[in-house]
Amino acid sequence: GAGVSQTPSNKVTEKGKYVELRCDPISGHTALYWYRQSLGQGPEFLIYFQGTGAADDSGLPNDRFFAVRPEGSVSTLKIQRTERGDSAVYLCASSSTSGTGELFFGEGSRLTVL
Amino acid sequence: GENVEQHPSTLSVQEGDSAVIKCTYSDSASNYFPWYKQELGKGPQLIIDIRSNVGEKKDQRIAVTLNKTAKHFSLHITETQPEDSAVYFCAASISDKLIFGTGTRLQVFP
Repeated sequence: GAGVSQTPSNKVTEKGKYVELRCDPISGHTALYWYRQSLGQGPEFLIYFQGTGAADDSGLPNDRFFAVRPEGSVSTLKIQRTERGDSAVYLCASSSTSGTGELFFGEGSRLTVL
Repeated sequence: GENVEQHPSTLSVQEGDSAVIKCTYSDSASNYFPWYKQELGKGPQLIIDIRSNVGEKKDQRIAVTLNKTAKHFSLHITETQPEDSAVYFCAASISDKLIFGTGTRLQVFP
């Protein structure tokens, strides 16, 4: 069956621009996670949704970052006024449980801020 | 919050040898410890996991051990093959989210 789908796979933008990254989880998975992975580092937790609500957004670095999941399925990560330090691979994962079950990751969206 | 440290950062072995990767965690409330394998350009993929009520788990050539008292856990890969070459991440679960280590780049030479 279909896995986690993320679009775009690559995004190049200029400093100060607004960016949206989309995640389409595995059908039926109620838990959805966003992680950020910088080169040579492990995935860094950003935000976790259980259904439509953000159950934990403690990893969002500042108020330029925001994520939504209005219908409990597709999620969008939104970054305002992008900075060069935002350049990274943004990974989305979904799970049928939360916290203690397998996370199924997408291939990520590589964001480059020039 | 939870902090996960992982060693070594790189590991090179000859095909057929064993590879061991070690992780420590800080929060004693963590109760689930998965290991993920990431190949170039792909997302991480679960290879094995262990829960806090178990000390060891094995799946073919892969095994994981957990010492809750010392707060450390290890991944053991035996009879390594070139296709085992990838980056491996340990993780610890806290408050319904996974905190990942910094990764180990494993290279298996034929």
